[in-house]
Amino acid sequence: GEDVEQSLFLSVREGDSSVINCTYTDSSSTYLYWYKQEPGAGLQLLTYIFSNMDMKQDQRLTVLLNKKDKHLSLRIADTQTGDSAIYFCAESPLNQAGTALIFGKGTTLSVSS
Amino acid sequence: AAGVIQSPRHLIKEKRETATLKCYPIPRHDTVYWYQQGPGQDPQFLISFYEKMQSDKGSIPDRFSAQQFSDYHSELNMSSLELGDSALYFCASSGYGTRPYEQYFGPGTRLTVT
Repeated sequence: GEDVEQSLFLSVREGDSSVINCTYTDSSSTYLYWYKQEPGAGLQLLTYIFSNMDMKQDQRLTVLLNKKDKHLSLRIADTQTGDSAIYFCAESPLNQAGTALIFGKGTTLSVSS
Repeated sequence: AAGVIQSPRHLIKEKRETATLKCYPIPRHDTVYWYQQGPGQDPQFLISFYEKMQSDKGSIPDRFSAQQFSDYHSELNMSSLELGDSALYFCASSGYGTRPYEQYFGPGTRLTVT
């Protein structure tokens, strides 16, 4: 079955780059997503990558996809204290309306000044 | 831009009571998803609707039911509440014809069962 795994914690200093890693098992997943959740808040869609891509950049965010190893990473450049949150990797096994997202356990990013 | 609206934002119920959570999707979105997030957990998919028909079903207990109405809003009905039902319940919506059916989440309803 589908399974998404992430490391649980990451601590960085303000201004450094953060790299959050994720592995997934469903090779048929068409799209892979990164969501951000601040304490007590909803899930904010940060970015996504299509499975036939290996990299996507969006301002300070860079997503790398290694489809062979089923490994996804999110790099945040110039990390700020406002980036402190839980980051969830999610996969969508089917590219059709109504399909569930399968989330990882989330990585808690702590940014110190 | 308009976002997903959920009501109520907070709800306190006692064991064995019933609860109804409402979700209003982003305008022109026709697909609604429900997720449950326990404390310190990742969101778990419950159920989804596309054009008012059930589309996908996850780990939704038999005590829960949901539907999508003609105006595309959705309601999650929860009966015989248990302590373990205490969680954050998220609704998400996506729009027809958009790829990759990006799901936009509401702020959630925090349900506490005492």
